[in-house]
Amino acid sequence: QKEVEQNSGPLSVPEGAIASLNCTYSDRGSQSFFWYRQYSGKSPELIMFIYSNGDKEDGRFTAQLNKASQYVSLLIRDSQPSDSATYLCAVTPIQGAQKLVFGQGTRLTINP
Amino acid sequence: DTAVSQTPKYLVTQMGNDKSIKCEQNLGHDTMYWYKQDSKKFLKIMFSYNNKELIINETVPNRFSPKSPDKAHLNLHINSLELGDSAVYFCASSHMGTQYFGPGTRLLVL
Repeated sequence: QKEVEQNSGPLSVPEGAIASLNCTYSDRGSQSFFWYRQYSGKSPELIMFIYSNGDKEDGRFTAQLNKASQYVSLLIRDSQPSDSATYLCAVTPIQGAQKLVFGQGTRLTINP
Repeated sequence: DTAVSQTPKYLVTQMGNDKSIKCEQNLGHDTMYWYKQDSKKFLKIMFSYNNKELIINETVPNRFSPKSPDKAHLNLHINSLELGDSAVYFCASSHMGTQYFGPGTRLLVL
């Protein structure tokens, strides 16, 4: 079982709709959870992090964490073509708090 | 005002050669990393240094040798390059667990 799993996609969403990206992790003791966005040929850039169960909102982005289900998600409201990118879920495991373990990423396409 | 910078951006070389990639951060962070992103876009940690001290070595072949002359710099030297080393190598630095990535070095081994 992979430590962090994401559906690789591609996920196609019409412009203006809500894009929902999902991630599961295997280490129940994982501490911190991050969403990065990576445009083709560019480096990952941090969108959001979440540490506690529940929702965290930042503009059009909402991160949701459910530690009991070992599940973290990212919602993008009012999706724009500029949101088209690969979204990487990353987790800080309990062993090795200084590192991030990444999922394989979900490729998101927003259709005008 | 670049935060994390890497040189070179592109590196094309022959099998068996030795090459180095340099990384510098001006964020004042204590911890720096090297990641490898393969052709399937999977991003995997290789090394981590905290204040010049190696703290993570993720079973990387010993042909890869990181060096941190000070906490703002983390370089990666690769000996006897192999075809499978072709990838994008990202440097990152972190503060309070949040990591910031450099632009990447695209290495192609022929």
